[in-house]
Amino acid sequence: GDSVTQMEGPVTLSEEAFLTINCTYTATGYPSLFWYVQYPGEGLQLLLKATKADDKGSNKGFEATYRKETTSFHLEKGSVQVSDSAVYFCALSSGGYQKVTFGTGTKLQVIP
Amino acid sequence: GAVVSQHPSRVICKSGTSVKIECRSLDFQATTMFWYRQFPKKSLMLMATSNEGSKATYEQGVEKDKFLINHASLTLSTLTVTSAHPEDSSFYICSARDGTSGSQETQYFGPGTRLLVL
Repeated sequence: GDSVTQMEGPVTLSEEAFLTINCTYTATGYPSLFWYVQYPGEGLQLLLKATKADDKGSNKGFEATYRKETTSFHLEKGSVQVSDSAVYFCALSSGGYQKVTFGTGTKLQVIP
Repeated sequence: GAVVSQHPSRVICKSGTSVKIECRSLDFQATTMFWYRQFPKKSLMLMATSNEGSKATYEQGVEKDKFLINHASLTLSTLTVTSAHPEDSSFYICSARDGTSGSQETQYFGPGTRLLVL
């Protein structure tokens, strides 16, 4: 079945540091890929998505590229801020967009 | 953006009682709603998919008689945990898909409900 593997956290970075959160997936067919973010005390919010190979999703300075050859969708940001502290979930959707499979989530803590 | 609410945000109940959790789409019509369960330090696990006006589709291993799902309108779905036991304690999250939007693969998530069964 479909699965998503992302790096375990927590990840602690200083403000303005470069961020990478790795995500790899296993799926049949051609899934859509997502990054969701969960800020403390809030629900999950869609951060960015990519629907086909080589697409790059981007939002709020974050970006991720759909790499079919390496089955990866790594999340990157050039300069993190304290306000980026949250839990980040990599996810995929396949089979007519009915079901979303999530990774375990990576907690990011950015310190001033 | 689209907003999904859940009520209550936190509930504590005695073992053997039933608990109802509501999920509402506030500014869009949700033809499909999803219920997830999140264990500590683990990913969200899909429990069931509900379509408005029809029976929910449960994932393998999820007891449909224990987790009753009703999706009576385009803006409301409920999850009832019947005869709750301590092992049912968890974080329950709903999501909704905007049936009128061209971006139908996007799900909007509620803030979650923390259930503690004593």
